[in-house]
Amino acid sequence: NAGVTQTPKFQVLKTGQSMTLQCAQDMNHEYMSWYRQDPGMGLRLIHYSVGAGITDQGEVPNGYNVSRSTTEDFPLRLLSAAPSQTSVYFCASSYLTGLAGGSTYEQYFGPGTRLTVT
Amino acid sequence: RKEVEQDPGPFNVPEGATVAFNCTYSNSASQSFFWYRQDCRKEPKLLMSVYSSGNEDGRFTAQLNRASQYISLLIRDSKLSDSATYLCVVHNDYKLSFGAGTTVTVRA
Repeated sequence: NAGVTQTPKFQVLKTGQSMTLQCAQDMNHEYMSWYRQDPGMGLRLIHYSVGAGITDQGEVPNGYNVSRSTTEDFPLRLLSAAPSQTSVYFCASSYLTGLAGGSTYEQYFGPGTRLTVT
Repeated sequence: RKEVEQDPGPFNVPEGATVAFNCTYSNSASQSFFWYRQDCRKEPKLLMSVYSSGNEDGRFTAQLNRASQYISLLIRDSKLSDSATYLCVVHNDYKLSFGAGTTVTVRA
């Protein structure tokens, strides 16, 4: 049971390049989400999904696309990288039932991708 | 105004001391509350949920005050291994809102 895996761990892009950050989970979680973490800002939600074929925007969606074709995978695409997208990106997953109101809900995070855009 | 605000610290305490810190949240309709722990350059991990009546997990005590919209975390008998950043997390619908974190450093 690998939990939540993310690739790559580190990436350097030039402004204007595109790329996809990969995220996969093997816990059969319905809910998956992407966050970015910047110094002093806390984690901010980019996009989330409540199941295969369903995605929605979070707090900071501009410049990012997602898709959820399977329960296991939730890739994040940067369309045209900008220096403002330099950040640490975390993918997370959880059961949906807890998110619907259970106080014992826990979100499991991947190890993160450290992205630098020059 | 940020949805979740925390004192960033750092709180620098000796081993064995008690340390406590709060966070405030802006949405009075928030449904659930949590403390996550994040070690340097690692992913966040759930420390404990916060229940309305307050709850303990070993040396950690969490309190929720809905009327004043704040959550607290108290760590008793601090260990070196408690050094980390503690993230206050508030749940609304399908979204979690994270505070920027409170850094705690426990020294020998």
